Amino acid sequence: SQKIEQNSEALNIQEGKTATLTCNYTNYSPAYLQWYRQDPGRGPVFLLLIRENEKEKRKERLKVTFDTTLKQSLFHITASQPADSATYLCALANNNDMRFGAGTRLTVKP
Amino acid sequence: GAVVSQHPSWVICKSGTSVKIECRSLDFQATTMFWYRQFPKQSLMLMATSNEGSKATYEQGVEKDKFLINHASLTLSTLTVTSAHPEDSSFYICSARGPGLAGAKYEQYFGPGTRLTVT
Repeated sequence: SQKIEQNSEALNIQEGKTATLTCNYTNYSPAYLQWYRQDPGRGPVFLLLIRENEKEKRKERLKVTFDTTLKQSLFHITASQPADSATYLCALANNNDMRFGAGTRLTVKP
Repeated sequence: GAVVSQHPSWVICKSGTSVKIECRSLDFQATTMFWYRQFPKQSLMLMATSNEGSKATYEQGVEKDKFLINHASLTLSTLTVTSAHPEDSSFYICSARGPGLAGAKYEQYFGPGTRLTVT
């Protein structure tokens, strides 16, 4: 069965450091992978999308890598800030189907 | 751009009653809309996918007669929870996708969610 695993339920880092979140998957061939941010009691907010034929995507302090051989995506937040504290979800998708990981709760301490 | 709204943002209802949740794409045409349910500290679980003008496709284990989905226009989808029970209490989130969005057509945009409490 399809499985999407995000490295840890919670990640605590110090302000200014780089946060690295992992998303691994099995039994799935996504055409693209997305990362979302979700704050408590809110819907997810789209951050980045990366296609299966792309290795890396950047947007401001965010960077996503996608390795279809390892079946893994890494999500980096550089120069992290307390405002980056939230739950980050990875989502794998093809044309009409999208599946979410359970999320990693990131806390950035000042 | 790409704003999705949901109404209501929260609702409390009595067991046995029905509740309707609306999902609207405000500035784009949503050819496909998705409904998710999320329990506390868990990820989003896809309930159903609906394409405008056709019947929704439900995920395994989701009762289509209990969770009625209508996607009658390119900007509106509704989820009706019929004969609600306390175990239906959850956070319901819709998302929308449309080919008219700038950039990758596969981006999905989420509504703010609806908190349903059944007493």
